[in-house]
Amino acid sequence: NAGVTQTPKFQVLKTGQSMTLQCAQDMNHNSMYWYRQDPGMGLRLIYYSASEGTTDKGEVPNGYNVSRLNKREFSLRLESAAPSQTSVYFCASSLARNYEQYFGPGTRLTVT
Amino acid sequence: AQSVTQLGSHVSVSEGALVLLRCNYSSSVPPYLFWYVQYPNQGLQLLLKYTSAATLVKGINGFEAEFKKSETSFHLTKPSAHMSDAAEYFCAVSEPGGGNKLTFGTGTQLKVEL
Repeated sequence: NAGVTQTPKFQVLKTGQSMTLQCAQDMNHNSMYWYRQDPGMGLRLIYYSASEGTTDKGEVPNGYNVSRLNKREFSLRLESAAPSQTSVYFCASSLARNYEQYFGPGTRLTVT
Repeated sequence: AQSVTQLGSHVSVSEGALVLLRCNYSSSVPPYLFWYVQYPNQGLQLLLKYTSAATLVKGINGFEAEFKKSETSFHLTKPSAHMSDAAEYFCAVSEPGGGNKLTFGTGTQLKVEL
């Protein structure tokens, strides 16, 4: 069991470039989440998918889009990167009835 | 709307001393509560969770937390700190039926000194 995997681990973008962060889980979880972590602000929810085929906005969705490709995979896309999107991005997944979330190792993104 | 407050962004203890990390929450319904730990350059790992069973919850690595409804608190404790406990700790709250979404506190960095 790999758990939750994320690619890439590190990425540097120039302002205006686009990229997709990939996330996959092998625990047969229904729900998946994308967070960003910034110093002193904890983790903030960007988007989530309660089940395959559904996605919803979280606390800070502006500038991002997501795709729940299938039950295993949940991708996060930055269409036009901005320096304010420099952050560490975490993907997580959960079984609905247990509520606890399992986190990937994170992607460290720098936008210059 | 639910929220989480962690008092003290940095806590320093001596090795062998009591660890106490504070967490207060606000929620419109009885919540589910979690403590996560994050070691440098890693993702978050679940320490323990409260889901309306026993109010005293035991987790991994000797940590425990007590749910106190009257104080809206869920403080994390460990009787004797070890150097390996140095990490950042996050308290999180989820409202049942809220799409399993977690709301996190801003984190407490624990430093353990010799």
